[in-house]
Amino acid sequence: ETGVTQTPRHLVMGMTNKKSLKCEQHLGHNAMYWYKQSAKKPLELMFVYNFKEQTENNSVPSRFSPECPNSSHLFLHLHTLQPEDSALYLCASSQEAAPRVDEQYFGPGTRLTVT
Amino acid sequence: GENVEQHPSTLSVQEGDSAVIKCTYSDSASNYFPWYKQELGKRPQLIIDIRSNVGEKKDQRIAVTLNKTAKHFSLHITETQPEDSAVYFCAAITSGSARQLTFGSGTQLTVLP
Repeated sequence: ETGVTQTPRHLVMGMTNKKSLKCEQHLGHNAMYWYKQSAKKPLELMFVYNFKEQTENNSVPSRFSPECPNSSHLFLHLHTLQPEDSALYLCASSQEAAPRVDEQYFGPGTRLTVT
Repeated sequence: GENVEQHPSTLSVQEGDSAVIKCTYSDSASNYFPWYKQELGKRPQLIIDIRSNVGEKKDQRIAVTLNKTAKHFSLHITETQPEDSAVYFCAAITSGSARQLTFGSGTQLTVLP
C-alpha cells in the first residue's frame, strides 16, 4: 500500500487497557506527526519526529507515549486513558520539518473510543 | 504561539455559486498557509497552499489570497459542485525553531444541488 497507513482503523478500549496505534509511511519522508482530531475542534498537534528524533511534545499527557523506531514507522502507546481521549488520531508525514514545512500527507486515522 | 481563527464554521451554497472561507493568524512571522479538505470519513488532503512571498494563487476553481498586513488569508471556490462538500481547514506555520502547523477549527461546506 502506498502513502500513509494506520492500524487499527477503529479501537475500543477500557480506561485500564494498554494499546498501541501504528503508522507507516511509504513516501520516503523525514518527518512524522501525531494529531488528535476531536469533534468541532481544530486538529491538535501532539508529537513531531524529525529524522526519528522527537522535536516537539505539545504538552501531551504522559498517558500518550510516542515511539519512532525508524523514519518510516511511528507508534502511539496508550495507557490508562480517559473518556475525553476518545477522538480520531491522525498520523501524517512530510518530506521536511523545521525549518521548512512542506505538505503533510495524512493517514486514514484511528477512531479511538475509551469506555 | 500561533493562533488561527477560521470563519464561518458552516457554509451552505447553491451549486454553481462561489464559496469563501476566511482565516486570520496572529504570528506575523508565519510564512506558509495550506488549506486541507476532509471529506466525511476520509483523511485531510492538501488542496492548495500559499507562501508569504505571493498574494494570490489559483488552481482551476480554487484560489487562495493572502493579506500579510492584515494577517488574513482566504479560500475561494468558484462554480461549486456537490463533490466540494467537505470540511475545509486552514493552517499557518508557527515561528521559531519548531515550525509546526497550527490549524483552524474547520468549515463545513455544503453544496446544495
